[in-house]
Amino acid sequence: DAGVIQSPRHEVTEMGQEVTLRCKPISGHNSLFWYRQTMMRGLELLIYFNNNVPIDDSGMPEDRFSAKMPNASFSTLKIQPSEPRDSAVYFCASSFGSGRSNTEAFFGQGTRLTVV
Amino acid sequence: AQSVSQHNHHVILSEAASLELGCNYSYGGTVNLFWYVQYPGQHLQLLLKYFSGDPLVKGIKGFEAEFIKSKFSFNLRKPSVQWSDTAEYFCAVKSGGATNKLIFGTGTLLAVQP
Repeated sequence: DAGVIQSPRHEVTEMGQEVTLRCKPISGHNSLFWYRQTMMRGLELLIYFNNNVPIDDSGMPEDRFSAKMPNASFSTLKIQPSEPRDSAVYFCASSFGSGRSNTEAFFGQGTRLTVV
Repeated sequence: AQSVSQHNHHVILSEAASLELGCNYSYGGTVNLFWYVQYPGQHLQLLLKYFSGDPLVKGIKGFEAEFIKSKFSFNLRKPSVQWSDTAEYFCAVKSGGATNKLIFGTGTLLAVQP
């Protein structure tokens, strides 16, 4: 398996523009996580899905952020409109979990977002 | 609600020194515990994990961690660090069962001086 795949790796955009980050989890995993990493706040959990359903989005900073998981092999994180304070590295991770069996989370390479 | 505390934000050691990084969590139920490492400019990689069984867990690169349930702790140790261990280390906790929520501590930046 190629692991968790994120695209793009780097994104530079102007304030006010829409940004879409993409993630392909590891095949067979049923949980997907979106994290944001900054120097000031560390690694923050934004939202996570179980079986394509959003379970907890309490970490999403505001209404400008939205995430979808239309199927088991794809998820998007959208920021609209983007602001300079959204600049960060965004990581996607996936894992398998059930009542009896769990794996660790595997991380993608991240998307470095810069909003100017 | 789950929470994870890492008490050491920045640690500087000389090569061959011993390392212990503290991690405490807050959650009343069954937990899975992890330590991840992030080398400069890279993504997070798993060092070791605890799901059940022996509370002393051995991971890659000579790292180990001990789960002490009564103290809600999962401290990371290495008897002799190397310059290549310079990285940021994150403790993480996942609630047990099917909930799967995984949260991280704020991280500890380790600098090993040659």
